[in-house]
Amino acid sequence: GEDVEQSLFLSVREGDSSVINCTYTDSSSTYLYWYKQEPGAGLQLLTYIFSNMDMKQDQRLTVLLNKKDKHLSLRIADTQTGDSAIYFCAESMEAAGNKLTFGGGTRVLVKP
Amino acid sequence: DTAVSQTPKYLVTQMGNDKSIKCEQNLGHDTMYWYKQDSKKFLKIMFSYNNKELIINETVPNRFSPKSPDKAHLNLHINSLELGDSAVYFCASSQDLRFTEAFFGQGTRLTVV
Repeated sequence: GEDVEQSLFLSVREGDSSVINCTYTDSSSTYLYWYKQEPGAGLQLLTYIFSNMDMKQDQRLTVLLNKKDKHLSLRIADTQTGDSAIYFCAESMEAAGNKLTFGGGTRVLVKP
Repeated sequence: DTAVSQTPKYLVTQMGNDKSIKCEQNLGHDTMYWYKQDSKKFLKIMFSYNNKELIINETVPNRFSPKSPDKAHLNLHINSLELGDSAVYFCASSQDLRFTEAFFGQGTRLTVV
């Protein structure tokens, strides 16, 4: 079955790097995603990685995928107070009609 | 211009009522979705439609009925509302079933009293 897990909370100082981790159980995932949700707002797609890739970098964001361990991480360099939000990891599979299965979200608090 | 828009943003209603949430996307996407986010922030898919055709229906009570009059719209109608229906409902769209980068609306916070 599908299961995506994340730690609940991360506190980081402004200017430091943040690393948010995610594990998933289904090895047939096609894509893996990171979404950001700010208070009272919808989900914003930050980045995604195809399951045959190991790494993807996009400005301050670096996604690492360890397919063997079914582990996905999001690194935010030079974390800013505007990065405070809930970050959701999600997976999708073509075979499942491409629905997104989300983790429970990691609340990131950036302290000045 | 908002890519995926939902109305209303907030909805407070009494148990037993029937209500609708509307969703429209102006991205020209073929596929639209409804997700439910509960009080603990867990997000789960409810439905997906591709070109007005139902693709996914995830063990949702049949009090929930999606309606897609055209591929730019996917409305959610809920009959006989219950307290447990209180949640934030998100509409989303993606280009098609092959490419799953989904764009989300701002959410509708439904409170059933």
